[in-house]
Amino acid sequence: KNEVEQSPQNLTAQEGEFITINCSYSVGISALHWLQQHPGGGIVSLFMLSSGKKKHGRLIATINIQEKHSSLHITASHPRDSAVYICAVRSTSGGGADGLTFGKGTHLIIQP
Amino acid sequence: KAGVTQTPRYLIKTRGQQVTLSCSPISGHRSVSWYQQTPGQGLQFLFEYFSETQRNKGNFPGRFSGRQFSNSRSEMNVSTLELGDSALYLCASSYAGQGNSPLHFGNGTRLTVT
Repeated sequence: KNEVEQSPQNLTAQEGEFITINCSYSVGISALHWLQQHPGGGIVSLFMLSSGKKKHGRLIATINIQEKHSSLHITASHPRDSAVYICAVRSTSGGGADGLTFGKGTHLIIQP
Repeated sequence: KAGVTQTPRYLIKTRGQQVTLSCSPISGHRSVSWYQQTPGQGLQFLFEYFSETQRNKGNFPGRFSGRQFSNSRSEMNVSTLELGDSALYLCASSYAGQGNSPLHFGNGTRLTVT
């Protein structure tokens, strides 16, 4: 069974700080998604990656396939970054129930 | 380009009833996947459709079913509703599927079962 663990569960930081959210998983994967969910429910896809590193604006996502670990970094954090960040993986185990497995999310609050 | 549209936004049903939710994907996207989100369990995968075929199914009882039409629009149905089915139901569309291309989520349907 694929387990996806995120840390920390909750994070409060000051505006401008560098933020790191971690995601570890237990099986081989074909893809990892980082998602952002604001209050009210809307989910936005930030990154999909299967190797290496991706950057979009102030956001950077990295993945280490051998260590089964990914990190999401936010540089120069801003109050508008306050949201729940969710990691989701697609395993390569095959079989019929091969959908995404989600972490529990990291609740991020950036204080002005 | 229009985003993913889910209807209705809110729904209140009684135990034992059935419900049908609708999802219209982004034009050109052939994959639609469905998810359930609850405070206790978080996000869980329900099923994925690609070009009218169910490609994957999560660990949900047979009361949960879905289908996809030739125009890629998808519906999910829950029969014999239980209180525990109260949740936010989200759909996402993508060009090539969950593991192959980015996902675009709708705003969800919030289902309350009383």
